[in-house]
Amino acid sequence: DAKTTQPPSMDCAEGRAANLPCNHSTISGNEYVYWYRQIHSQGPQYIIHGLKNNETNEMASLIITEDRKSSTLILPHATLRDTAVYYCIVSPGNKLVFGAGTILRVKS
Amino acid sequence: SQTIHQWPATLVQPVGSPLSLECTVEGTSNPNLYWYRQAAGRGLQLLFYSVGIGQISSEVPQNLSASRPQDRQFILSSKKLLLSDSGFYLCAWSPGDGQETQYFGPGTRLLVL
Repeated sequence: DAKTTQPPSMDCAEGRAANLPCNHSTISGNEYVYWYRQIHSQGPQYIIHGLKNNETNEMASLIITEDRKSSTLILPHATLRDTAVYYCIVSPGNKLVFGAGTILRVKS
Repeated sequence: SQTIHQWPATLVQPVGSPLSLECTVEGTSNPNLYWYRQAAGRGLQLLFYSVGIGQISSEVPQNLSASRPQDRQFILSSKKLLLSDSGFYLCAWSPGDGQETQYFGPGTRLLVL
């Protein structure tokens, strides 16, 4: 079973920041927080991951709370092409357990 | 850079027929390899993973098997397909050097009739 809880769906206006929350209250000390997304009919795409520090790359930022029990993925300027299912996964790395994810709909 | 290939992209097979799906990775050595299945409207389920040639771990009992005949080749097989084998099959790789971010292929959509 997935060890994360995400809202089933969210809407975001094009050009605005999309903030996707994830709860992982039972995360272990050696588990990373991974974010993937899956655009319809495609394979999942890696976005970002982190252990306890906030991370940023060309796609997104990951904010992890100090107690590591929750995190937020931030897409700073959402576009229509960011419409997808976003998965938050906690894992030591060798196995990924995908839950239902959050359907993000970016609207013009 | 690394790339992962899967073929075929789509496949329609009759119940009881055999199956062979192939996945190959380029641009890396000694990767960990994974097979996932996604049933319609469902999440991804890990089926098999491999840390080296000939080393296969099965995550769930099922009608499928996997083999890794070469370092960068992963094959998913079945002797007799069931209707319930329909789904979207995804292959993934990770560097296998402690950095275990997984990268997915484009997938094979299988319909068993």
